[in-house]
Amino acid sequence: DFQMTQSPSSLSASVGDRVTITCKASHDISNHLNWYQQTPGRVTNLLIYDATKLETGVPSRFSGSGSVSDFTLTISSLQPEDIGTYYCQLYGTFGGGTKVEIK
Amino acid sequence: EVQLVESGGGLIQPGGSLRVSCGASGFNVSNTDMSWLRQAPGKGLEWVSFIYRDGSTYYADSVVGRFTISRANSRNTLYLQMNTLRAEDTAVYYCATWRGSAAFDSWGQGTLVTVSS
Repeated sequence: DFQMTQSPSSLSASVGDRVTITCKASHDISNHLNWYQQTPGRVTNLLIYDATKLETGVPSRFSGSGSVSDFTLTISSLQPEDIGTYYCQLYGTFGGGTKVEIK
Repeated sequence: EVQLVESGGGLIQPGGSLRVSCGASGFNVSNTDMSWLRQAPGKGLEWVSFIYRDGSTYYADSVVGRFTISRANSRNTLYLQMNTLRAEDTAVYYCATWRGSAAFDSWGQGTLVTVSS
């Protein structure tokens, strides 16, 4: 079975910190990897598509990198509104999620 | 502006049936690929079903034969008919649009379905 392994499962960081979340695919998936933020209020937003492309309207502090099977979501300067859970996704498969909190 | 609003969730006994709806605005469901996803309490996101603009449908193994996705173009609404419900179907059900780049680009805020006696 195809799997997406996301880490860490949770993190706590200070406002202004650089935050990195990783996603590892069990097979080569080229660049077909997307990232989402789900807020505590159940709003789900597409942040990054095709591994590196910033969705329209998403702040530029979010960026994506990687290819083949290893991918990274970076928040360059964490803001209070960034709290929530982040998921990577390939077609019908999601990573397990990373819960981001503010210290 | 694209908006998706789910409705129809509630408490249902095991073995029962329920239909959830997703009202769309800002685009036409008839020419948009769309999907249902779900999230069990405290768990991650799980894809449930696709309906493509050509009408073809696909389902996760966990729901095949029990769930049916459909749309009413005149009402600009997406549906998920859920039969033979099980406790493990308890979840918030979300509808989302599916972009050609294989991303779910717009989401509703979900409707909670609880299967319990």
